[in-house]
Amino acid sequence: QLQLQESGPGLVKPSETLSLTCTVSGGSISRSTYYWGWIRQPPGKGLEWIGSIYYSGSTYYNPSLKSRVTISVDTSKNQFSLKLTSLTAADTAVYYCAKSYYHDAFDIWGQGTMVTVSS
Amino acid sequence: QPVLTQSSSASASLGSSVKLTCTLSSGYSSHIIAWHQQQPGKAPRYLMKLEGSGRYNKGSEVPYRFSGSTSGADRYLIISNLQSEDEADYYCETWDSNTRVFGGGTKLTVL
Repeated sequence: QLQLQESGPGLVKPSETLSLTCTVSGGSISRSTYYWGWIRQPPGKGLEWIGSIYYSGSTYYNPSLKSRVTISVDTSKNQFSLKLTSLTAADTAVYYCAKSYYHDAFDIWGQGTMVTVSS
Repeated sequence: QPVLTQSSSASASLGSSVKLTCTLSSGYSSHIIAWHQQQPGKAPRYLMKLEGSGRYNKGSEVPYRFSGSTSGADRYLIISNLQSEDEADYYCETWDSNTRVFGGGTKLTVL
């Protein structure tokens, strides 16, 4: 059974870069039908899609975050990663990784990791 | 890109039924959406995919009490025989041309 687990720092300083990793277990990240995504949720607020990636490396991003986001994949480690630059307090959120098929719903979610942006 | 509109809150009594609504913006009324449940302090959980025809496809281990229906641009999540564990936030999601959006979520209170 496919499982996803986020990892990364819980506290990051303003203006710095956030780096998170999602480790996929129970299946291959390179399976041709799977897409992988990042979603975040500020405290007390709703879900916001950040971006998605295919194992080949093709990506698509939320236009509102595109200038600050990079998502990459490491098939050798069965992982994909998120980098978000120029952090502000508004980036404080729980960050989730999730799996979908192309043009389909996120049907498997990680448990999420809380990231606080503060000096 | 599409916009999804949800009521911010809903309530219903234990053992009753409730219908939550997700409305697609103009021009996107035929889009497929998904429903997700987020219990307090937990990650979202995929419930089902719902087509414009009203056909729906539930995730694994989603109770029979959960179903979906459609009317025009409205997509409904129907929960029957409400249980205390159904008290949660419910989000709809859709996708289009390499973009994805979520609705603002509905907080369901079970009385």
